[in-house]
Amino acid sequence: KQEVTQIPAALSVPEGENLVLNCSFTDSAIYNLQWFRQDPGKGLTSLLLIQSSQREQTSGRLNASLDKSSGRSTLYIAASQPGDSATYLCAVRPLWAGNQFYFGTGTSLTVIP
Amino acid sequence: DADVTQTPRNRITKTGKRIMLECSQTKGHDRMYWYRQDPGLGLRLIYYSFDVKDINKGEISDGYSVSRQAQAKFSLSLESAIPNQTALYFCATGQGGETQYFGPGTRLLVL
Repeated sequence: KQEVTQIPAALSVPEGENLVLNCSFTDSAIYNLQWFRQDPGKGLTSLLLIQSSQREQTSGRLNASLDKSSGRSTLYIAASQPGDSATYLCAVRPLWAGNQFYFGTGTSLTVIP
Repeated sequence: DADVTQTPRNRITKTGKRIMLECSQTKGHDRMYWYRQDPGLGLRLIYYSFDVKDINKGEISDGYSVSRQAQAKFSLSLESAIPNQTALYFCATGQGGETQYFGPGTRLLVL
């Protein structure tokens, strides 16, 4: 079974700081990895999708990297803003699991104005 | 209007009752999913469907059943609700196994 771990569970930073969220997974045989954002009372919103053949993806102030061999991904957020406050989840799709995605428990981010 | 809608948004029920959670989507996707989210455990897949004739069990299907009434509708039923089914339930859609689009969730409390 694929285990997905996210560290830290919670993070609080002042506005303007750059920050890194971590995701690790136990089985490197993956099809892709996604980062999601979850806001209270709302569903998950996909931020970035990295295919197994890619090393990183960028969208605006967000950059996600993937090191499949070591089972790690990072989400880098530049110049954080209070509106970035949310829970960030990573999910992996193992090659052997068909269309099943395995999610981490998330990192709760608070950006202090 | 939202692409993926879930009804009800909140539900309180009693142990032993049968309840149904409904999901509708306007994205035209073939694939639909039901997840539950529990504190400290993340999202776990209950069932998924590739089309109206294809239903597959996920990681934690025991105690649940589903119905794909149409391409746009996917319902989750709890046959006889129990307190440990108290959770936040999400429906999601996708195409080709790539990005998934999530509904706003249904918060279920089983007393």
